Amino acid sequence: DSGVTQTPKHLITATGQRVTLRCSPRSGDLSVYWYQQSLDQGLQFLIQYYNGEERAKGNILERFSAQQFPDLHSELNLSSLELGDSALYFCASSVERSSTDTQYFGPGTRLTVL
Amino acid sequence: AQSVSQHNHHVILSEAASLELGCNYSYGGTVNLFWYVQYPGQHLQLLLKYFSGDPLVKGIKGFEAEFIKSKFSFNLRKPSVQWSDTAEYFCAVNPPGRRALTFGSGTRLQVQP
Repeated sequence: DSGVTQTPKHLITATGQRVTLRCSPRSGDLSVYWYQQSLDQGLQFLIQYYNGEERAKGNILERFSAQQFPDLHSELNLSSLELGDSALYFCASSVERSSTDTQYFGPGTRLTVL
Repeated sequence: AQSVSQHNHHVILSEAASLELGCNYSYGGTVNLFWYVQYPGQHLQLLLKYFSGDPLVKGIKGFEAEFIKSKFSFNLRKPSVQWSDTAEYFCAVNPPGRRALTFGSGTRLQVQP
């Protein structure tokens, strides 16, 4: 158990819908990263938040957005869902004290878009 | 394009065989290097990491990796695999100046009893 929690574990929805994925970082970690794992694209970085502020963006679609709340949990919002958005979405957290931090991953949310 | 390459996509070994999984990256400058493992149906777990110092890094479960700067490589090794090592293995890099990880495509290891 990494200490990073994600809910829900599974999510099945239809095209065009909107969903919210939730992540709680390890105690003391200020930084949250979101990654997408799909069969065709592999593991890709989406976005990073640090202490409530957006820190870096990766290959995140405009239909996707995220935020980090004062209690440091983060939510990833996916809208106008398409079949190709079906994937495993991981969040990871780190302390972010130095350039040699380690990211610890949560169990992931498996999203299926029908 | 700058990337991380794992050349072995699927490896099948018998128990007690030795393992070496290749990882090459194409970033210049100082990078941090990681190997993560994903057991079936589970999340990514850190096996080992390299930031600086001794290029031979020991991790959990008997795994080790060697950083060879001249070859831009960070290969994962284990002298004797077990059935329980069946999993997918990902090499990852912090490119210079970036905290987010860039992952290789993964290597699926199947260990036969």
